[in-house]
Amino acid sequence: QVQLLESGPGLVKPSETLSLTCSFSGGSISDSYWTWIRQPAGKGLEWIGRLYTTGNTGYNPSLKSRVTMSLDTSKNEFSLKLKSVTAADTAVYYCARQEGGWYPRWFDPWGQGTLVTVSS
Amino acid sequence: QSALTQPASVSGSPGQSITISCTGTSSDVGGYNYVSWYQQHPGKAPKLIIYDVSNRPSGVSNRFSGSKSGHTASLTISGLQPEDEADYYCSSYGSHTVVLFGGGTKLTVL
Repeated sequence: QVQLLESGPGLVKPSETLSLTCSFSGGSISDSYWTWIRQPAGKGLEWIGRLYTTGNTGYNPSLKSRVTMSLDTSKNEFSLKLKSVTAADTAVYYCARQEGGWYPRWFDPWGQGTLVTVSS
Repeated sequence: QSALTQPASVSGSPGQSITISCTGTSSDVGGYNYVSWYQQHPGKAPKLIIYDVSNRPSGVSNRFSGSKSGHTASLTISGLQPEDEADYYCSSYGSHTVVLFGGGTKLTVL
C-alpha cells in the first residue's frame, strides 16, 4: 500500500526558507506526478505545485517566485522549499500523488500532513 | 483564478440526502471533466471520494455520488450517517492555475 510521510522543521523564522521532505513507500516513485498542498488553520486547501519524476515542475502562479520542488529517486523522496516565508505561510503542508497523467485529475494518496509555523 | 465556490455549510438529518455544489468557470469546472471531491475529518488529511466528476474509488461508499452541469459540479450524499460529518472540498483542473480547490463545505449531521 502506497504511503506518504512529510517531515521537516515545525517552526521557521520569518524571511527564512521552509524545507519539507515527503517520503514515499509501497511502490515506485517513478512515472508519477507528486504534489504539495497546504492548508492554513481553519481554512481551505491551496495547491502549491507539482513535480514529475523527470524533474519537470509546475507551480501555483501566486507562489511561483518562492517555490522550488525536487526529487531524489534513490531515496524515494521529494522535497519542497519555500523561501522568504511570512506568517501567511503558516499552515499544514500535505504531500500527495497526483493521478491521471499530465492533467491533475485527482490526488491520492495524501500524507498525514505536517504543521509549519512561521514565527520569530 | 479565484477558488471554486462552495457553500460554507450544509446540514441534514440521518437518512436524508444532501447536495454540495461547486461552481467554477469555463476555464475549469465547465471546461474539463476533471473534478474531484475530498472528505476531511478534523485533524485528518483529506480523503478522495470522487474523481473525474462522478467516479468512486474502490472502498468508497456508493452513498457518495458526483455530477456536473455546466460550470457547476455537485456532490450528493444519500442516507446520511453520523460519520459523514466532515468538511468537503472540490477540486478541478484549471487552464490558468492548473489546480483549483473550493473553499470547503462543513457538513453537519443533525
